[in-house]
Amino acid sequence: KQEVTQIPAALSVPEGENLVLNCSFTDSAIYNLQWFRQDPGKGLTSLLLIQSSQREQTSGRLNASLDKSSGRSTLYIAASQPGDSATYLCAVRGTGGADGLTFGKGTHLIIQP
Amino acid sequence: ETGVTQTPRHLVMGMTNKKSLKCEQHLGHNAMYWYKQSAKKPLELMFVYSLEERVENNSVPSRFSPECPNSSHLFLHLHTLQPEDSALYLCASSQDARGAPYGYTFGSGTRLTVV
Repeated sequence: KQEVTQIPAALSVPEGENLVLNCSFTDSAIYNLQWFRQDPGKGLTSLLLIQSSQREQTSGRLNASLDKSSGRSTLYIAASQPGDSATYLCAVRGTGGADGLTFGKGTHLIIQP
Repeated sequence: ETGVTQTPRHLVMGMTNKKSLKCEQHLGHNAMYWYKQSAKKPLELMFVYSLEERVENNSVPSRFSPECPNSSHLFLHLHTLQPEDSALYLCASSQDARGAPYGYTFGSGTRLTVV
């Protein structure tokens, strides 16, 4: 059974810092990996999608990498801003026919002004 | 709005009530999902529908009953729930059941409280 772990569980940094969020998964047989952000009490907003054949994806100040063989992904946030404060979720889609996404518990990020 | 709309946003129901959650997408996606998000736990997949056929029932209690009348609409019918069923229920959709090619789109969720 796929398991997804996110480290750290919580992170608080001053505005302007670059930071890295980590995600690991136990089964490397995946179709893709997706990073989301979730604001308190709200739904999920997709940030980046990495297909299993890709190594990284970039969107603005965000960069996500994927090392499928080692079961790891990182989300890099450059020049952090208070508006980046949210919970960041990593999810993988396995290759089983009836699989959906398997999620980690998330990293709760606070950017201090 | 993300393109996936869920109603109602909040719901309080007694343990003997019957209610339904609704999800609607106009993204042209062929797969739809129900997820449950409880405090301190990862999101849990409940049901998967692909081309209007249920392809996964992740050991969900029978007091939760999904319905997918067409590729744009998904319902979750609730009856005789327990207080531990209180959670955020999220609907999602994707182009196909593998999440290709653009991944998954989530709605804003329904916050359910069972009293």
